[in-house]
Amino acid sequence: EPEVTQTPSHQVTQMGQEVILRCVPISNHLYFYWYRQILGQKVEFLVSFYNNEISEKSEIFDDQFSVERPDGSNFTLKIRSTKLEDSAMYFCASSGGTGRSPLHFGNGTRLTVT
Amino acid sequence: DAKTTQPPSMDCAEGRAANLPCNHSTISGNEYVYWYRQIHSQGPQYIIHGLKNNETNEMASLIITEDRKSSTLILPHATLRDTAVYYCIVRKGQGGKLIFGQGTELSVKP
Repeated sequence: EPEVTQTPSHQVTQMGQEVILRCVPISNHLYFYWYRQILGQKVEFLVSFYNNEISEKSEIFDDQFSVERPDGSNFTLKIRSTKLEDSAMYFCASSGGTGRSPLHFGNGTRLTVT
Repeated sequence: DAKTTQPPSMDCAEGRAANLPCNHSTISGNEYVYWYRQIHSQGPQYIIHGLKNNETNEMASLIITEDRKSSTLILPHATLRDTAVYYCIVRKGQGGKLIFGQGTELSVKP
């Protein structure tokens, strides 16, 4: 069964550094998402992306965050200058061609900012 | 998107059916009910979704009341591997993001 893959599984970075989290969505999917989950808290929506542009973003997704689909297969989340509070699990998700197609999630990247 | 209410935790004996309830009394006509689960800190896993008819797949059944104000996810023969947090989410028919609540922490016990 096709799946969403995320790399790396764990990333450690120092405060103030830039980090790029990578995702390969399911190949025929058209909608892409990033979520995060701080340890012990809810899964939180960050951003959705469709047709090469952001379709919706949350208050969390400020100017420090950006997303890109640099080629036909990858979907990336960049954090420009990481803060301690950015430490979390980051999940990528994708969904198919209809609006109500379910989202399928990857297993996440654990980001630790020291 | 309509808000959902779920019990914070439930227990189930291994091999028995697990029935997880969800209230969504403010659901509107074009909103679907989705169920996901999260095992440990893995990514949320899609289980099933429906609009108004009952649905069944290889993982579970979804029973939606006639007035659509509540639903029940049924795992017919729970195993220890079904121990997870289960999320009931209401989502607009035209799609978009999922909003996760706190979910129900299901513990399947031997």
